[in-house]
Amino acid sequence: QLQLQESGPGLVKPSETLTLTCTVSGGSISSSTYYWGWIRQPPGKGLEWIGSIYYSGTSYYNPSLKSRVTISVDTAKNQFSLRVSSVTAADTAVYYCARDYEVLRYHSDYGMDVWGQGTTVTVSS
Amino acid sequence: DVVMTQSPLSLPVTLGQPASISCRSSQGLVYIDGNTYLNWFQQRPGQSPRRLIYKVSNRDSGVPDRFSGSGSGTDFTLKIRRVEAEDVGVYYCMQGTHWPRTFGQGTKVEIK
Repeated sequence: QLQLQESGPGLVKPSETLTLTCTVSGGSISSSTYYWGWIRQPPGKGLEWIGSIYYSGTSYYNPSLKSRVTISVDTAKNQFSLRVSSVTAADTAVYYCARDYEVLRYHSDYGMDVWGQGTTVTVSS
Repeated sequence: DVVMTQSPLSLPVTLGQPASISCRSSQGLVYIDGNTYLNWFQQRPGQSPRRLIYKVSNRDSGVPDRFSGSGSGTDFTLKIRRVEAEDVGVYYCMQGTHWPRTFGQGTKVEIK
């Protein structure tokens, strides 16, 4: 059974870089045909898609965050990571990783069907 | 970007009564394979989002049949036939057809 688990620091100082990791178990990132994504949820607010990546490195980002966000893949560790630079209080949120859709999608039943439990990140000095 | 607009944003419902949530997209959601990749998610308090419905009207495994999805083009609806206490939470629509992925604002379902 595919499972995703986020990890990273719970507290980050303003202007610093936030780095989170999503560890995938029950399946291999490099042998899959999926994009892998990050979504966040500020306190009391809705869901915001941040970006998604394929193991080859092909990635897509939310235009509103693109200048500060980098998503990368480590196939050896079966992980993908999120970096957000120059963080402010507005980046305080629960961050989720999830399985996105297949790269070559044809009548797919998958897509945002598996999520991690989320990790809370607070930006504060 | 495709804007997803949900209504209402708050939905008080009596137990056992039906509930309906609307989701409208700013452009069509038909993918090149002919499918419409419109999902509905349920987020109970303190939990991760859970996908309920995919491709407009297909229920995920384990989702009670009181949940149903419908729609086409740019108008979509999630219905709960008879609301139960465990249905309290926030419901989101999301389109997976276009980049960037976009979510609706969320509809909070509560018991009257």
